[in-house]
Parts: sequence; C-alpha cells; structure tokens
Amino acid sequence: GAVVSQHPSWVICKSGTSVKIECRSLDFQATTMFWYRQFPKQSLMLMATSNEGSKATYEQGVEKDKFLINHASLTLSTLTVTSAHPEDSSFYICSASPGIGPQHFGDGTRLSIL
Amino acid sequence: TQLLEQSPQFLSIQEGENLTVYCNSSSVFSSLQWYRQEPGEGPVLLVTVVTGGEVKKLKRLTFQFGDARKDSSLHITAAQPGDTGLYLCAGASSGTYKYIFGTGTRLKVLA
Repeated sequence: GAVVSQHPSWVICKSGTSVKIECRSLDFQATTMFWYRQFPKQSLMLMATSNEGSKATYEQGVEKDKFLINHASLTLSTLTVTSAHPEDSSFYICSASPGIGPQHFGDGTRLSIL
Repeated sequence: TQLLEQSPQFLSIQEGENLTVYCNSSSVFSSLQWYRQEPGEGPVLLVTVVTGGEVKKLKRLTFQFGDARKDSSLHITAAQPGDTGLYLCAGASSGTYKYIFGTGTRLKVLA
C-alpha cells in the first residue's frame, strides 16, 4: 500500500488563486520531505528540501515566496503555490524520507491554472 | 550543479529485443537509484546501488554502478510491452538524502 499520500491528486483553479498541496507519510516519521516539479514528458526537477521544524531549503531558481513550504510535523509537509498563474501548471510530486532507507514518493498532484 | 544525463532520450523497440539505458555524470555519487514512472503517477523505485562496480539484477533488469560511481546503466533483456514507461536515474551525494534526477529515458515496447 501507499506509504506517502499526496492530496489533492488533481486541481483546476483560476489564475490568481493560491493552491495548497499536502504530502503525508502514513506509516513512518519523515524527517525530510522533498518537493519536485515535473513538466510533460520531462524528468523531475527538485524544488526544495523540507525538514521538520525548520525552514525549507530551496534549489536555485525556485522562488520561495511563490512556493511556500511548511513542514510542521513529522508526517505532514505542505506546498502552497501562491497567486498561481498558467505557467505554474505542472505535475507536483513529493517524497518523504525516514532518514535511513529509501525515499517514498507520493502519486503527484496535477495542477492546472486557467 | 550536478547534472545527470541519460541516453537515449527516447527508445522504441519491438517486444523481445534487448536494450541499455545509460546515466552519466561528472559528479561522484554515494548512492544512485533507478526509477520507472507511469503517466500521472509518482516514480517507483527499482533499485539502489551504492558500491562502485556493483551489479544488481531484478528479473530481466540488470543495473550496474560505474567503478568511479559517476555513471550507471540499466539493461533490459527480452523487453515486454509492460516495460513501457519513463526510466529515471537519480543520484545523491555523500552525506545527503537529496536525490537529483537524470534527464529521463522514455521507453516504448511494441507488441
């Protein structure tokens, strides 16, 4: 069964709306969670590393004010796309790591901004 | 910036053929993983290799980690339509669990 749950799986909203995506580890404590973005027919691009109780570390070129990440507990991280525009439309995927052992991926969130 | 280049980018083959996908970098990785991803889903881990020169087999899939831990290959024997998907390598540097993904190889196996 899925060990990482991502919600919602699909969201369509109007330009200017803020959208929150949740990533939950279901049966382990995730000290670290990662957020990726994937454009159609392309690979995963790491956006940020989220550590529980501390500020996220963003990759070069990723706007931290645009993509707000909160990792308030050991089982939940959220990514909020603020004031979303059509160019933010993408497939967003999270993964969670227990610290030792492989990371587990969620099934992704398809975001479409009209 | 670490960069993982995969080749080929696209591959379309007939059922029963063999193929090899390459993952190359100028950086050294402490750990390298291979994933397969279906459209609209998250990637699924196939294997993790950590030792230079290591070879791992998973049924018809053979994975090799280069001696210098800068490159890796995935070989599929007697490909089947069910092998169709996006294959991704991902590498992590020493002391981190942060994986950077390769450029991807899209495989289509025709029946």
